[in-house]
Amino acid sequence: GESVGLHLPTLSVQEGDNSIINCAYSNSASDYFIWYKQESGKGPQFIIDIRSNMDKRQGQRVTVLLNKTVKHLSLQIAATQPGDSAVYFCAENMGNAGNMLTFGGGTRLMVKP
Amino acid sequence: EADIYQTPRYLVIGTGKKITLECSQTMGHDKMYWYQQDPGMELHLIHYSYGVNSTEKGDLSSESTVSRIRTEHFPLTLESARPSHTSQYLCASSASIRDGTEAFFGQGTRLTVV
Repeated sequence: GESVGLHLPTLSVQEGDNSIINCAYSNSASDYFIWYKQESGKGPQFIIDIRSNMDKRQGQRVTVLLNKTVKHLSLQIAATQPGDSAVYFCAENMGNAGNMLTFGGGTRLMVKP
Repeated sequence: EADIYQTPRYLVIGTGKKITLECSQTMGHDKMYWYQQDPGMELHLIHYSYGVNSTEKGDLSSESTVSRIRTEHFPLTLESARPSHTSQYLCASSASIRDGTEAFFGQGTRLTVV
């Protein structure tokens, strides 16, 4: 069938290098943000989240940075591995139980051995 | 592992057939969602539900319909499948808490209409 939407941009990195994936979100009232990883043939999986009262949050090999002034979110992956190859989506949510999670466009990360 | 299940994983069906894609979750989540995603493309929200007897259309127009008779079950139906419906359909659920929380995704159903 006819494809819906835009092709995803691709980020290609060398194994062992650090990766930075960027996302611009749309709603200045959003106060909760999530990064998801989607491997081929699977549903998206939660990586890390951050609330708007924080600028930075670290996980295992991943760091999320939030810049509310310019509505920008980034995901940093340290020492990128072949298993990190996937599509990465950011999602935003207003801190209201009645609101839905809204996804950004996504970035395909390709790790070269 | 998230407790959300989609069946079937893969479906090839002829034009004009009626199909229902199943989605069930055992987490007691109020919110459930259906997304459509073509290979290498964005996620598009096509339906969502706040809870039992609640269904809303998403950002992307879809010829499919949904129902939410039970909290754990959110099936999607196509009355008459067409080749343009060929895509991957992803179901998700999340809890309704004030400060927001992650959504959990199923493995998806890849639909091909021939």
